[in-house]
Amino acid sequence: RKEVEQDPGPFNVPEGATVAFNCTYSNSASQSFFWYRQDCRKEPKLLMSVYSSGNEDGRFTAQLNRASQYISLLIRDSKLSDSATYLCVVFSSASKIIFGSGTRLSIRP
Amino acid sequence: ETGVTQTPRHLVMGMTNKKSLKCEQHLGHNAMYWYKQSAKKPLELMFVYSLEERVENNSVPSRFSPECPNSSHLFLHLHTLQPEDSALYLCASSQDWRGGLQNEQYFGPGTRLTVT
Repeated sequence: RKEVEQDPGPFNVPEGATVAFNCTYSNSASQSFFWYRQDCRKEPKLLMSVYSSGNEDGRFTAQLNRASQYISLLIRDSKLSDSATYLCVVFSSASKIIFGSGTRLSIRP
Repeated sequence: ETGVTQTPRHLVMGMTNKKSLKCEQHLGHNAMYWYKQSAKKPLELMFVYSLEERVENNSVPSRFSPECPNSSHLFLHLHTLQPEDSALYLCASSQDWRGGLQNEQYFGPGTRLTVT
C-alpha cells in the first residue's frame, strides 16, 4: 500500500460545478497536511494547509479525518482556471514528506 | 513571483560532465529542500537543510552532492549522472522543517535536466 494515495482522475467537470477529492495516508503518526496545485510543466504552488478542525479559503474547503486517515479538498463554483493537478502532501518528519501522485482536474466551459 | 529562484532552468549534460544547480530563496526561511520529479511519478524528497545543516538525506546516490553555504542558497552538484536521472529538479524553502504550518513549502520553478 502506498503511503499517500490519490485518485489520479482525470476529473472532468463543467464550470460552476462542485468537485471533491480525497487523499488517504497510511501513517497514523502524520502531523501536517497540505494541498498544492501544479499546472502543466510548472512548480507546485501551495493551495492551503489542512487544519485539524477543517478550514476554508474562498471557494476551497479542506478537511482532515484522522480516524479514517484521509484529507479532502472541496472546490465550489469551479472556474476554468482551477484546471490543474492537485497534490496532497503528508508530513510526518523531516525525512517523511510524502507527496501524492496528484489528481488531475479539468474544468470545461 | 521571485520568492525562490533556480538556475539554470534547463540543462543538458553528458554522463561524464560535472554541473551544479543553484537555488536562492528571498523569503527569510530557515529550511531548504531538493526534490526530484520524474515523468508520471510523485515528487521525491532528496535532501533537507536547516540553517545550513543537512537534516536528512533520503538515500540519494552519491553522484548528487548538496551544498548549503548559507540559509538563502542551496546547490546540487552533479557528476557522472545516468540517463535515468533526467527529471525536473525542484528546490523549495519553508520557515522551519519540523512540522506544522511552518512547514508550508514554496517552490522554485525547477531545473529540467536531461542526461545524454
